[in-house]
Parts: sequence; C-alpha cells; structure tokens
Amino acid sequence: DAKTTQPPSMDCAEGRAANLPCNHSTISGNEYVYWYRQIHSQGPQYIIHGLKNNETNEMASLIITEDRKSSTLILPHATLRDTAVYYCIAPDNFGNEKLTFGTGTRLTIIP
Amino acid sequence: GAVVSQHPSRVICKSGTSVKIECRSLDFQATTMFWYRQFPKQSLMLMATSNEGSKATYEQGVEKDKFLINHASLTLSTLTVTSAHPEDSSFYICSALPVINSPLHFGNGTRLTVT
Repeated sequence: DAKTTQPPSMDCAEGRAANLPCNHSTISGNEYVYWYRQIHSQGPQYIIHGLKNNETNEMASLIITEDRKSSTLILPHATLRDTAVYYCIAPDNFGNEKLTFGTGTRLTIIP
Repeated sequence: GAVVSQHPSRVICKSGTSVKIECRSLDFQATTMFWYRQFPKQSLMLMATSNEGSKATYEQGVEKDKFLINHASLTLSTLTVTSAHPEDSSFYICSALPVINSPLHFGNGTRLTVT
C-alpha cells in the first residue's frame, strides 16, 4: 500500500465542517484513496473513496489534489456522533482486497 | 447495503480453552474474508485472509495452528482461537468484499477476554 500520513488528532466544533488531511505522496496511478472511520469499540465503517476526481456522498466529500499526493476528507456539518478515528488508506491492489490500517486521525467533535 | 455480521460480540473464556468467532455476510456472497486483530489504543492488524474452499493465508507472525480459520461456505468464515491465553485478549474484526473493486465491509467485532 502507498504510505499515508495523517495528523494523530484533531478537534472540531459541533456543526462546523471537519477537514481531515491525508498525505499519500507515493501513490501510484491506479491506487484509489479510501477513507474509513472507527467509532469506539465498533468495526470500521466505509466512508468514501476516489481515484482522481472529487467525490461526494451522503456522509462526506473527498477532495483529491491534482497531483494525487494528498487528499482531504470533509464532513460538512460535524455532529457528536462523528467522533471517531479516521483512516486514510491507499491499497496497492486494484481490487481493494487487503487493507493496511495506519494510526489514523482521532477526530473529536466538541459541543 | 452489504452487511457483515459477527458473533459473539463479547466472549470471556478461561485460559486454555478454545473460542470460535463467526463472521457472516448477510446479503452477499464472499469468496474472501479478512480477519483483523486490534489491541487497546492500537490500529487494526491483518491476521489472515480467509478463502472459501481453500486454506487461509496468514500474515507473518500469526500462528496458523493457534488461529484456525475455516471458510466452508460463501457466507461464513470462522476464526477459532485455540488454547487461549490472556495475551490473546483483543478485539477481533472480520471483513468481506461484496464485489471486486468495491469497498470492504466490516463486522462489528468480537471482544475476547481470556481470564
């Protein structure tokens, strides 16, 4: 997997947009960027993924830089339930069959 | 959406006994499932890849005779922790791939405590 780098922790005020950065400078042309999150004592939850274009779904938006060396996950209106560890992953197999988790970013939403 | 179910969610067992954890894909078939382990305050570590109808592939450092994996059907994989010891206490999580090139879906994990 391409090595990803994320800040260990971030805080965000409830109701504001949470912007979580991820560096993946060694990513190759066919490697997607996946975002998962893990709420305490639960299994990881898929959020979003993308290759080159920006993506948006009901949970979040993913902004990928043109050189693909970094990306930002945006939670548009953070709630207390968004408090979790967020993982940015760039698996090296196109089929995304085997994920290697780094340490992620612990996001705390503050009331 | 694709749902992966794990059972039990919590289990406490005595040292020396064996524990079986089930992972089911509820609304899709999965030829491949993955088993992870997570210790407190650490990230998920891949233990093994479970292949339907064939032997599991274990990651380096994971004892295959201690962590027995059986993937007898397209919707069920089991992980048996044999002769459990307190150091095996951990959070075990399975995942499955609904369709090639789709995101992995994870179960809610099993908290194993060995006393």
